[in-house]
Amino acid sequence: GQQLNQSPQSMFIQEGEDVSMNCTSSSIFNTWLWYKQDPGEGPVLLIALYKAGELTSNGRLTAQFGITRKDSFLNISASIPSDVGIYFCAGRRNTGTASKLTFGTGTRLQVTL
Amino acid sequence: KAGVTQTPRYLIKTRGQQVTLSCSPISGHRSVSWYQQTPGQGLQFLFEYFSETQRNKGNFPGRFSGRQFSNSRSEMNVSTLELGDSALYLCASSPYPENTEAFFGQGTRLTVV
Repeated sequence: GQQLNQSPQSMFIQEGEDVSMNCTSSSIFNTWLWYKQDPGEGPVLLIALYKAGELTSNGRLTAQFGITRKDSFLNISASIPSDVGIYFCAGRRNTGTASKLTFGTGTRLQVTL
Repeated sequence: KAGVTQTPRYLIKTRGQQVTLSCSPISGHRSVSWYQQTPGQGLQFLFEYFSETQRNKGNFPGRFSGRQFSNSRSEMNVSTLELGDSALYLCASSPYPENTEAFFGQGTRLTVV
């Protein structure tokens, strides 16, 4: 099945550092969602983006909806140990039967103290 | 407000058996989608239900089926289980199909032996 290109695949960072990850697609999406998933749990919604160019923050997290509607990025500032997990982007077209979510391949974030 | 509830959390079945998984969406949400998550394929869309009707179906064999009840609760069924069906099955809840946000349950971990 289709997956969005998400990078980096994994990253080790030191506590306190800023993190940046992005997601790209060959197709246009109407909505971008960012999720965090802990081992054995379901994805938890972090940020939802609805308009091209939109920049949205949720605490230390900031995400942007690309102008072309084919990409999005997520930044985490001043990382802490509980940021460890896998981050997924997801695109949604919101058009009738095409309203399913298409997920990225995930970015595994590991934080060293 | 209670979140998305999936039951059971864990399941072990043998090849050839069938299995039924259950999902109760967030109260007031009428759209339920199902996803399969495996290490190799990531998160893949199975199907989406709204008002007891299947609106969208992913690229999975006919052994995978689902339904939605009048109270929006949904079940998915997998018949003639194969080893490759071992996965985390996730249910997502949205107020409407085209709604931008989707909230996931904790998932059902299915192991086929």
